[in-house]
Amino acid sequence: ETGVTQTPRHLVMGMTNKKSLKCEQHLGHNAMYWYKQSAKKPLELMFVYSLEERVENNSVPSRFSPECPNSSHLFLHLHTLQPEDSALYLCASSQDRGGGAEDEQFFGPGTRLTVL
Amino acid sequence: AQSVTQPDIHITVSEGASLELRCNYSYGATPYLFWYVQSPGQGLQLLLKYFSGDTLVQGIKGFEAEFKRSQSSFNLRKPSVHWSDAAEYFCAVGVDQFYFGTGTSLTVIP
Repeated sequence: ETGVTQTPRHLVMGMTNKKSLKCEQHLGHNAMYWYKQSAKKPLELMFVYSLEERVENNSVPSRFSPECPNSSHLFLHLHTLQPEDSALYLCASSQDRGGGAEDEQFFGPGTRLTVL
Repeated sequence: AQSVTQPDIHITVSEGASLELRCNYSYGATPYLFWYVQSPGQGLQLLLKYFSGDTLVQGIKGFEAEFKRSQSSFNLRKPSVHWSDAAEYFCAVGVDQFYFGTGTSLTVIP
C-alpha cells in the first residue's frame, strides 16, 4: 500500500449505530487530519493530530470522536449520527515541520458516509 | 477571517481549448497557495503550490498558476485541456490551517 488509505470506502448506518472510519498513511508523516466534504461547501477541517497529539478541534460535535494511536493510523469513531452528517470524510497527512500550513497535505480517497 | 472564493461553480470547455479557473483569497499577508484536483471517487491530489518567488508556478499535468498580489488571486490555467482533466478543482490557502474554496467542476466536451 502506498500513500493514504481509508476504509471502508462506503458506509451506510442508522442513527443509533456505532461505527469507525480508519485511515492509514504510508508516507512517514507526523501529522494527520480529518475533513468533512459536503456538496457545494468548502472542505471542513474537523481534527488535526501532530505527533499523535490533537492540536485542532474545530468545534466538532461530540458524536464524532477521533483517535490517533500512532503516527500512521487515525480513526474517527461515530455514534448517534444525524442525517446531516452524511458526507465524504477525507483523511490527509503531512510532514509538519512546525512552520504552519506550508506543508502539502496528501489525501486518501475518502469514506462516503450515509446516515439513514 | 480567511476565505477562499472560487466564483465559477461549473465550467465546460471543449477538448483542446484553453482553461482558466479563478481563485481569490482574503488574507492580510501572502499565504501559502495550493491547487488540488479531485477525480470522481478519489481524494484530492496536489497540482501545484506557491510559497514565494516567481509568481508563475508550474505544476503537474501541464497546469500552471499565477499569483497576483494586487488582485489577491491565484488563477489556474492550462493551454490545452484533455478529456482526462474533467474533475473538481479546489483552491486552498495555507495560513494556520488549510482553507479550501467550494470547488469548480470542470466538464470537457469532445
